[in-house]
Amino acid sequence: EDQVTQSPEALRLQEGESSSLNCSYTVSGLRGLFWYRQDPGKGPEFLFTLYSAGEEKEKERLKATLTKKESFLHITAPKPEDSATYLCAVQPSGSARQLTFGSGTQLTVLP
Amino acid sequence: GAGVSQSPSNKVTEKGKDVELRCDPISGHTALYWYRQSLGQGLEFLIYFQGNSAPDKSGLPSDRFSAERTGGSVSTLTIQRTQQEDSAVYLCASSLTGEANGYTFGSGTRLTVV
Repeated sequence: EDQVTQSPEALRLQEGESSSLNCSYTVSGLRGLFWYRQDPGKGPEFLFTLYSAGEEKEKERLKATLTKKESFLHITAPKPEDSATYLCAVQPSGSARQLTFGSGTQLTVLP
Repeated sequence: GAGVSQSPSNKVTEKGKDVELRCDPISGHTALYWYRQSLGQGLEFLIYFQGNSAPDKSGLPSDRFSAERTGGSVSTLTIQRTQQEDSAVYLCASSLTGEANGYTFGSGTRLTVV
């Protein structure tokens, strides 16, 4: 059974204080690993897809990396507007298209 | 429309009543997904529609849950004889190809069963 575990559950940072969020996964075969951002009362918003170990993607202050067992979302010099819940999900290889999500990391960036 | 539209945004119902939740996907998107998000939990897959193919219902938690998609567009998720454990946010997503890159989520329907 596919499993995704995210840590920490919650993270408070001062503005400008860089950190990383962790996503550990087990899947029979990985088609893709996805990062989403979710603001309160909204649906998740797509950030990145990673397909193979060693791959990295960047967007503004965010960089996602992937190994065979985990992914990291690095946040460099965060701003208060980066406050949100960050969700990690995996899509197994094969015909299934649904994602298995972790329970998320709630990030708060204080000014 | 510009995004995925879900209605109602909030629904409070009495235990034992039936509810219908609606999802209006982005025009032209052939894939449509329903997920459920309970407090403190990750999103849980419910059902997937792709074009005219038979839906993947493998995530539906019980036979009280059903969904249909009419004309390849609007979808309705129906929960019969609601229970308190059905309380959650029900999220709909659509995509052009069925690949997760193209997922656009709606804002969800918050269902509370009292």
